[in-house]
Amino acid sequence: SQTIHQWPATLVQPVGSPLSLECTVEGTSNPNLYWYRQAAGRGLQLLFYSVGIGQISSEVPQNLSASRPQDRQFILSSKKLLLSDSGFYLCAWSRLMTSGTEAFFGQGTRLTVV
Amino acid sequence: AQSVAQPEDQVNVAEGNPLTVKCTYSVSGNPYLFWYVQYPNRGLQFLLKYITGDNLVKGSYGFEAEFNKSQTSFHLKKPSALVSDSALYFCAVSPPSYSNTGKLIFGQGTTLQVKP
Repeated sequence: SQTIHQWPATLVQPVGSPLSLECTVEGTSNPNLYWYRQAAGRGLQLLFYSVGIGQISSEVPQNLSASRPQDRQFILSSKKLLLSDSGFYLCAWSRLMTSGTEAFFGQGTRLTVV
Repeated sequence: AQSVAQPEDQVNVAEGNPLTVKCTYSVSGNPYLFWYVQYPNRGLQFLLKYITGDNLVKGSYGFEAEFNKSQTSFHLKKPSALVSDSALYFCAVSPPSYSNTGKLIFGQGTTLQVKP
């Protein structure tokens, strides 16, 4: 079966510090990968998605970047965090090139920028 | 712009009563439709989806959803609510224009509170 791991679960970082959140998927190959942000416990906003190694699409302009160095690894980064980067970050995967497939989510990372 | 609306921030229901969580969408073409549930400080769990076919879709934990094309709605239902159903529920759509990317547009979520 497929599993998705996301870490850390919680993170408190000072403004201006770097960020690295990691997500890995097991039990599948060539997944679509996604980073979402959830603000104030409500709606989710898609930040990045990837359909393959090194292929990253950004959905919104922001202070964050994403990378996919391996097939099942997706990393969310920032060089200098802003207060507005605080939120709940969720990694997800879905089957590649399969219309109508559902996404499977990790447990999320609660990021607080202080 | 393509969007998903969940008109109720919160739905309150007594245990044992039926529940409905509403969702409408504004999308070009025929989208794929999804419901997810989120417990506090956790990721989203997939409940059910509509791709094509029968308008009534059955999913996990006794939930079902009814697709209504003319009203562009996809309401989540359960015949008898449990206290353990209390959570945040999200409706999501994947428009045809998103093709095989799997990207989803989410509603703002509805908090379901089931009281004993």
